[in-house]
Amino acid sequence: EAGVAQSPRYKIIEKRQSVAFWCNPISGHATLYWYQQILGQGPKLLIQFQNNGVVDDSQLPKDRFSAERLKGVDSTLKIQPAKLEDSAVYLCASSLPDSYGYTFGSGTRLTVV
Amino acid sequence: GDSVTQMEGPVTLSEEAFLTINCTYTATGYPSLFWYVQYPGEGLQLLLKATKADDKGSNKGFEATYRKETTSFHLEKGSVQVSDSAVYFCALRDQGAQKLVFGQGTRLTINP
Repeated sequence: EAGVAQSPRYKIIEKRQSVAFWCNPISGHATLYWYQQILGQGPKLLIQFQNNGVVDDSQLPKDRFSAERLKGVDSTLKIQPAKLEDSAVYLCASSLPDSYGYTFGSGTRLTVV
Repeated sequence: GDSVTQMEGPVTLSEEAFLTINCTYTATGYPSLFWYVQYPGEGLQLLLKATKADDKGSNKGFEATYRKETTSFHLEKGSVQVSDSAVYFCALRDQGAQKLVFGQGTRLTINP
């Protein structure tokens, strides 16, 4: 089965610019997650979708971050405007509901200069 | 809130050495516990899991036992290989939730 696809793999932007990341989950996986992994730290959940709906976005900095999942499949995560501290790897994962089986994508490495 | 604490890294061992990576957790309920591994340039992969107290998860020679009394889930392997070089993350998922809470990760390097 195909894995979780993410693009781009790498992105370098200047602070105050905007950026968007794309994720295509495993077919049939209703639950989709975006995690932020800052260098030297473990991943931290930003937002969780169940189909089109948001289940948990309590740690999403909503003044600058937004995410959507259209038609319960692909998802985009946007940062506008970016700050230096947003430099991190952004991981997308998907799973079946109530499943232990998360599948992670390879991530997008964002560098804000 | 829920949290996971892993031993400080990086850890460097010689091939065939015994490995222990410590992990302790704090949770309000009865969590499930996981070890994930991240090889260079790749995404996180589930290495093993345990869903209740005294369960032992195992995979690829790695083992970890869910110890409720010490709130621990230490990762062990009897004889490591160069191919085990990676970053290892301990994580928990609380009862009724789907999100994972991760530790900070431990970078493991195995020298031939």
